[in-house]
Amino acid sequence: SYVLTQPPSVSVAPGQTARITCGGNNIGSKSVHWYQQKPGQAPVLVVYDDSDRPSGIPGRFSGSNSGNTATLTISRVEAGDEADYYCQVWDSNSDQGVFGGGTKLTVL
Amino acid sequence: QVQLVQFGAEVKKPGASVKVSCKTSGYTFTSYDINWVRQATGQGLEWMGWMNPNSGNTGYAQKFQGRVTITRNTFISTAYMELSSLRSEDTAVYYCARRIPCGGDCYSFDYWGQGALVTVSS
Repeated sequence: SYVLTQPPSVSVAPGQTARITCGGNNIGSKSVHWYQQKPGQAPVLVVYDDSDRPSGIPGRFSGSNSGNTATLTISRVEAGDEADYYCQVWDSNSDQGVFGGGTKLTVL
Repeated sequence: QVQLVQFGAEVKKPGASVKVSCKTSGYTFTSYDINWVRQATGQGLEWMGWMNPNSGNTGYAQKFQGRVTITRNTFISTAYMELSSLRSEDTAVYYCARRIPCGGDCYSFDYWGQGALVTVSS
C-alpha cells in the first residue's frame, strides 16, 4: 500500500514561515490534501488538491507538490497555528485513503 | 450548513461489537461518499473505509476487512460504522467524514463529524 512520510515535529518562531513536508513515491503524480487538527478537535481541511484553499482558510496557508515531496507552507506563523498537520492522498490502485503520520507544529 | 453529528461515547468489552452513527444534514446525503477514520489517543489518523450512500457500495482498508461494515439509512441521512471482534487496540475516536471529489483520483474530506470515543476494556 502507498506510504506517506512526515517529520514528527517542526518548530518555528511567530512571524516566520513553517514548511511541513510529506514524502511519497512519485507523490507529484497524486493530489495531496492537508488537514489541521488541534487538541480535542476534529481535523480541518486547510489545503486540497495540492494548493487550493477551502473558503475560510487564510491565504497564509499554501501547498506545493512535485517529485517525491509535497509541502504545506504556513507564512507569518501565529500562535493559533500550533497544531498537528496531516497530509492525505487517495490511492487509486487500492481505492483507499492514506494519511501521513502527522507533524506537530510548535510555535516557539 | 453542512453538519455531520456523531453521538456519545461507548464502552465495550473485548470481543464485542460497536456501531457508531453519523447523522448528516445541510446537503443531499446521497450525493457524497462517507468515509470513516479513527484516531487512537496520541496517535495519527487511520483511514478505515468508505461508502457511497446512493448505491450502498463500500470499500474497506485491508487491515479491517472482515471486521468492519459501513451501512446507511437514507431516510434519516445517517451513516453507520460497525466494528466487530473488538480488542483493546481498537480504543480510539472514530470520525465520519464527507468525501468530496476534485477531479480524477482527487478526493479530500471537507466536513468531519466531531468524533465518537470507543473504549474497549474488560
